Amino acid sequence: EAGVAQSPRYKIIEKRQSVAFWCNPISGHATLYWYQQILGQGPKLLIQFQNNGVVDDSQLPKDRFSAERLKGVDSTLKIQPAKLEDSAVYLCASSLEPGGTQYFGPGTRLTVL
Amino acid sequence: GESVGLHLPTLSVQEGDNSIINCAYSNSASDYFIWYKQESGKGPQFIIDIRSNMDKRQGQRVTVLLNKTVKHLSLQIAATQPGDSAVYFCAENIPRTSGTYKYIFGTGTRLKVLA
Repeated sequence: EAGVAQSPRYKIIEKRQSVAFWCNPISGHATLYWYQQILGQGPKLLIQFQNNGVVDDSQLPKDRFSAERLKGVDSTLKIQPAKLEDSAVYLCASSLEPGGTQYFGPGTRLTVL
Repeated sequence: GESVGLHLPTLSVQEGDNSIINCAYSNSASDYFIWYKQESGKGPQFIIDIRSNMDKRQGQRVTVLLNKTVKHLSLQIAATQPGDSAVYFCAENIPRTSGTYKYIFGTGTRLKVLA
């Protein structure tokens, strides 16, 4: 079974630029999550989708972050404009159902200069 | 507020010895707990989980213990190997009133295996 795929693996941008990350969950997994992991910390949930609907986006900085999962499969996370404090690893995870075991992708390491 | 924390940020263990990584949680409504292993440059990898109606679960070389009385979770790794060197996170799965669930991760413990 293929795991969660993410791209790109690394991205370096200057502050105020925009960036987008892509995630392809495990086939058949209805629930998709985006996490932000700052160095030395545990992952922090940004947004959770159930199929193509948003379940929880309470910790998503909506003035600059947006995410979508239009067809209930792939998802994109966008930051516009980026700030220095957005430097982190952005992890995508999926689970078969809400509350189920989450499986993580390799993450995208973002550096904002 | 909700929190999942770890007692030791770094644990150094001799190869072949047993490792014990601890975690405290604060939400009594949590019904599911998971341990993840994260190696450098990789995403968290599922190790083992336990439901709140259990107090012990064993896997291959790993055991998770849950003490709901004191809200404590531990991960035991038997015969620790160099490949076990990583950061270990516990995660707490909290049911929401909306019927959905939310994971809360701890800050992690770095396990160093000494040759």
